[in-house]
Amino acid sequence: SQTIHQWPATLVQPVGSPLSLECTVEGTSNPNLYWYRQAAGRGLQLLFYSVGIGQISSEVPQNLSASRPQDRQFILSSKKLLLSDSGFYLCACPIQGAYGYTFGSGTRLTVV
Amino acid sequence: GQNIDQPTEMTATEGAIVQINCTYQTSGFNGLFWYQQHAGEAPTFLSYNVLDGLEEKGRFSSFLSRSKGYSYLLLKELQMKDSASYLCAVRGLRNNDMRFGAGTRLTVKP
Repeated sequence: SQTIHQWPATLVQPVGSPLSLECTVEGTSNPNLYWYRQAAGRGLQLLFYSVGIGQISSEVPQNLSASRPQDRQFILSSKKLLLSDSGFYLCACPIQGAYGYTFGSGTRLTVV
Repeated sequence: GQNIDQPTEMTATEGAIVQINCTYQTSGFNGLFWYQQHAGEAPTFLSYNVLDGLEEKGRFSSFLSRSKGYSYLLLKELQMKDSASYLCAVRGLRNNDMRFGAGTRLTVKP
């Protein structure tokens, strides 16, 4: 079964600083990968998805970007963080041979 | 676009039954999902409906009516550990991307 690794688990960053969150997947190959953000008390918002290496689709215009340098690696970045970027960031991929998504354990980002 | 609506909060008693409703409007439909999310944790997959009707999985059941854009999650024999947020999600036709409702926070009381 596949496993999604995300790090770090918690991050506190000042406004205007850069960001790099990494997601790696084990147990599957060429998966669709997704980045979601969950603001406090709100639902999951789809930010980016990727169907393969170097292929990124953006759902919401903002100061975030994503890259997929390797088949099982998905990176979320920002050059300058805003206060509104605070939230719980989750990486996901389809459950192999079944339905639904598997999520990573998430990164809780607080921009101060 | 997609709109997915579910109640914000619900409270129920241990041992009882609770039904969490979800209505949706979508331009393309490829399945409806329910996830459970405990505070501070990632969501975990509960159930999936793509055809109309009821899917039962232990204490949890999920129902779908595509013509009405309506689903519900039914939790039986509630336990304290069922206190969590329950997220309704719709999968679209494009790259299997999934859109989530804001979630229903269920509190189970003794």
